[in-house]
Amino acid sequence: EAGVAQSPRYKIIEKRQSVAFWCNPISGHATLYWYQQILGQGPKLLIQFQNNGVVDDSQLPKDRFSAERLKGVDSTLKIQPAKLEDSAVYLCASSDAPGPGADNSPLHFGNGTRLTVT
Amino acid sequence: QKEVEQNSGPLSVPEGAIASLNCTYSDRVSQSFFWYRQYSGKSPELIMSIYSNGDKEDGRFTAQLNKASQYVSLLIRDSQPSDSATYLCAVISTAAGNKLTFGGGTRVLVKP
Repeated sequence: EAGVAQSPRYKIIEKRQSVAFWCNPISGHATLYWYQQILGQGPKLLIQFQNNGVVDDSQLPKDRFSAERLKGVDSTLKIQPAKLEDSAVYLCASSDAPGPGADNSPLHFGNGTRLTVT
Repeated sequence: QKEVEQNSGPLSVPEGAIASLNCTYSDRVSQSFFWYRQYSGKSPELIMSIYSNGDKEDGRFTAQLNKASQYVSLLIRDSQPSDSATYLCAVISTAAGNKLTFGGGTRVLVKP
């Protein structure tokens, strides 16, 4: 089974620039998550999709962050404009369960995109 | 108060010893509890889940849950250098919208 694919692996931008991250979940997984992990902290949920609908975006800074999953498969997360505090690893995860708590349907994480904002 | 709290460590244990990690959570109605392992520069991977009070064992790992005291712990027996990683505690509460909330992680160093 192919894992969750993310690109790019690394990205360095200047503050106020824009950046986009791409995620392709495991085939057949309806639920997709974007997490932000700042160095030394645990991952923080930004947005959860169920197919192409948003389930939870309560912690997404909507003035600068946007995400879409138009066809219910791959997803893009965008930051515009970036701030220094956006420097973090952006993790995409997928699951075949509608929520994160099913014992037999854990979250599968991609390798993440490490963003550095200078 | 953070929703999920862990000691950041590092927790240094000699090879072959037991590593004991603790996690406390603030939401009393939390129902599902998980331990993830994250190697440096890698993504988190699920190693244990626990849903009811008591102990759950899987190989060298034992998760312990005490809902009355609002803590969950992870024991790693016969620690190996390959166990050196950051261990993330994660909790789901339906009251919080069924969101998986992570603690900051405990870094474990197993010394040969």
